[in-house]
Amino acid sequence: QVQLEESGGGVVQPGRSLRLSCAASGFTFSSYGMHWVRQAPGKGLEWVGVISSDGNEKYYGDSVKGRFTISRDNSKNTLYLQMNNVRPEDTAVYYCAKVGKLGVFIWADSWGQGTLVTVSS
Amino acid sequence: EIVLTQSPGTLSLSPGERATLSCRASQGVSSSFLAWYQQRAGQAPRLLIYVGSRRATGIPDRFSASGSGTDFTLTISRLEPEDFAVYYCQQYGSSPLTFGGGTKVEIK
Repeated sequence: QVQLEESGGGVVQPGRSLRLSCAASGFTFSSYGMHWVRQAPGKGLEWVGVISSDGNEKYYGDSVKGRFTISRDNSKNTLYLQMNNVRPEDTAVYYCAKVGKLGVFIWADSWGQGTLVTVSS
Repeated sequence: EIVLTQSPGTLSLSPGERATLSCRASQGVSSSFLAWYQQRAGQAPRLLIYVGSRRATGIPDRFSASGSGTDFTLTISRLEPEDFAVYYCQQYGSSPLTFGGGTKVEIK
């Protein structure tokens, strides 16, 4: 079955950088696009961005555009989220999620358990 | 950006009752590009419905969804104890993808 495991979360100071990883297994990782979605404490879901199966297409939410970068290493079955110039409002649980079929603008059919990022001085 | 507004914010019902959740879009969304997710307390979201009305694998048939244009509905025909959770709609037809603010279904 599909398994997604995020890692790399923790406490980071405003203005600094952090890289999250998402290890995937149980499916052909290189065939599917992948989303990042975040959830601030006590709040709803916010889409961060998506990357295509080959990594050539990337789309981002307005609040992270220009600061966050999604990438992937299909040889390692791993998805990444590089977070630069982080802000307190980036504090959230970050989920990676697999798209439901071939494509990019697709629903998320499997989710990891999330990793918490806290931006604080 | 397509804004999704979910109502009500909280729905207080008893097990066995019917739940009707609304999701309204700021502009037309093809039903082919609408999904619903369930998030139980302390857990990751789970896909319930995609392409407007198709149930995801393992989702019981008490969950159904419908709608078109700007108005969409998720219906839970008879609430089971495990259905008390927060529900989100999402449009994935255009970037940025957006979620509604969620409807919490709580035990009355």
